[in-house]
Formats: sequence, C-alpha cells, structure tokens
Amino acid sequence: AQTVTQSQPEMSVQEAETVTLSCTYDTSESDYYLFWYKQPPSRQMILVIRQEAYKQQNATENRFSVNFQKAAKSFSLKISDSQLGDAAMYFCAYRSREGNTPLVFGKGTRLSVIA
Amino acid sequence: SQTIHQWPATLVQPVGSPLSLECTVEGTSNPNLYWYRQAAGRGLQLLFYSVGIGQISSEVPQNLSASRPQDRQFILSSKKLLLSDSGFYLCACHRGGSNNSPLHFGNGTRLTVT
Repeated sequence: AQTVTQSQPEMSVQEAETVTLSCTYDTSESDYYLFWYKQPPSRQMILVIRQEAYKQQNATENRFSVNFQKAAKSFSLKISDSQLGDAAMYFCAYRSREGNTPLVFGKGTRLSVIA
Repeated sequence: SQTIHQWPATLVQPVGSPLSLECTVEGTSNPNLYWYRQAAGRGLQLLFYSVGIGQISSEVPQNLSASRPQDRQFILSSKKLLLSDSGFYLCACHRGGSNNSPLHFGNGTRLTVT
C-alpha cells in the first residue's frame, strides 16, 4: 500500500520569505498523481497544486511551486513571498492513476507566517 | 464545478446516542464519495468511500457505518456514539473514473460527543 510522509509537523516563515514543505511517498507504481491541499483555520480543504507523475515539468500555481523528484519519491511544496493568509495546515496526498482508489494523505505540516 | 453540501456544521451528542451526517453533491454525476475524520490538529483518516450507489468500502472497522442511497447522497451513521467519535468529519468527492480530478471537500461537521 502507498504511504505519504510529511516529516515536518510544524514550520514557520517570515512574511515575504520563501518556505519549502517536504513530502515523500512510497509506491511501486510508475504512474500516479500528487496533490497539495491547504487547510486554513476555517478548516475548509483547498487544493493548492497537483502534479502528474508522467510529467517531468514541475507544476506551478502563482506563488506555489513543487519540486517533484520521481526517483527519490519526493514532492516538496515551495511557497514564495509568503503572506499571512498562507498560514494553514498543508497536506500532501497521493492517488494511483488506475482504479477507484482513494487519496492517501500525509499527516500534515502546520505552517505559521510571522509578520 | 462540483459543490458539496454537508450538514450540520456542528453537533453535540451524548454518548450512546445515534448519529446521522448527510452529504449531497451537485455538479457531477456518478461521483466517488468519501468520509474522512480529522482529530484536533491531526491528519485526515479515511473512514469510507463509495464508487457507486450501494457500494461502500470501509477503511477502519468501528461503530460507524455509511450508506449511499442515491447517486449524489452519502450518509455517515452510528447507532451508539462513543467519546472517541468526537472529531471533525469531512465529506469529499471527485469525478468518478477520473483519478486526475482533484478531491472537493464539504465544509465539515464538528462533532463533540459528551
């Protein structure tokens, strides 16, 4: 079974600085999807970014980008020019490409943004 | 795009009482549906998922159950709540047959069992 590991329970960053959140996963599959979700204090889950494993190019969404290292099974999230509104729990998730399989989530990283 | 309606937003129930949380989906047909639970400050635990009417997969054996009486309706139930059932419950969906489509979440139900 696939597993997702987020080794940083908590992180902090100064406003306007850059922070990287780590995520590694374990799978024997060659094709799959990876996601980062944000959960602010409102507890609404918001999709931040997604990556398809067969695409070598790292996904980017405005200030959010990923560093996808397929061989290392690593999928880190970089937040540039951090803003106070970025403070949230961030979850990394994995889903197989085939079959009706559910997302597998990591345990999350709580990000604090310091003004 | 998909919209998930989940209710109630908050619920306080005594130990031993029954539970029924409802989730309905708009904007897609034949979605894959999920129930997650999140303890305070913790990660998401998958409880149940469904790929079609009457099809329920249970990830964690416990006193909770799920049902899908209609294509876009997913219900989480319990006959007798335990203190350990307290938590934040999230319903989620994505387009069926499309593992690339992102998971959409409802606003959640905060359940406190007293």
